Amino acid sequence: DAVMTQSPLSLSVTPGEPASISCRSSQSVLHSNGDNYLDWYLQKPGQSPRLLIYLGSNRASGVPDRFSGTESGTDFTLKISRVEAEDVGVYYCMQGLQIPVTFGQGTRLEIK
Amino acid sequence: QLQLQESGPGLVKPSETLSLTCTVSGGSINSNNYWAWIRQPPGKGLEWIGSFYPGGRTYYNPSLKSRVTISVDTSRNQFSLKLTSVTAADTGIYYCGRHAQWVIRLDPWGQGALVTVSS
Repeated sequence: DAVMTQSPLSLSVTPGEPASISCRSSQSVLHSNGDNYLDWYLQKPGQSPRLLIYLGSNRASGVPDRFSGTESGTDFTLKISRVEAEDVGVYYCMQGLQIPVTFGQGTRLEIK
Repeated sequence: QLQLQESGPGLVKPSETLSLTCTVSGGSINSNNYWAWIRQPPGKGLEWIGSFYPGGRTYYNPSLKSRVTISVDTSRNQFSLKLTSVTAADTGIYYCGRHAQWVIRLDPWGQGALVTVSS
């Protein structure tokens, strides 16, 4: 199975400051078409998860442009350029190249 | 706008079968998509249960494969999850979702159904 390892597991950020979450895969999630089959999701308190980034670096519909995804081999990063209060919650990466589909442990973001 | 809604008993006894249904509205389940079940134990992370393509393949998490069946009723625009021989470890929120591409891009998700396994 592809093990997804996120870091940090929690972070506290001042509004307006940037934030960065890392996700490392134990195996390649690079499809033969050149896309990394790696998504990022945000689960706000009391809500279902919501897709933020797909194929490593593509923002989903309606996602603010302060969210971005970067890729480097099996290392992936979710960046928030300027954190807002509404960004609190747990962020998960997920790979969908290999079966079973696997999620990272989650990273909890709180506001200082 | 595509919407998914989970439904089913909120309480299941140990050793019995958990059954949930996901109703799809605002679109057809026969679209060119895979559909999925995911679960989340209380206070913990997300676990993929399985994904299927209507009329095509179904993939299960090997850790649950011996106990899980996902089926579809295209006439009702619904799909279902059955998990047999449940224990307290199966307690959690169960989500259904649509994959927008292969078995990635889960969007949208249902609101989730809390299932408690207890006597």
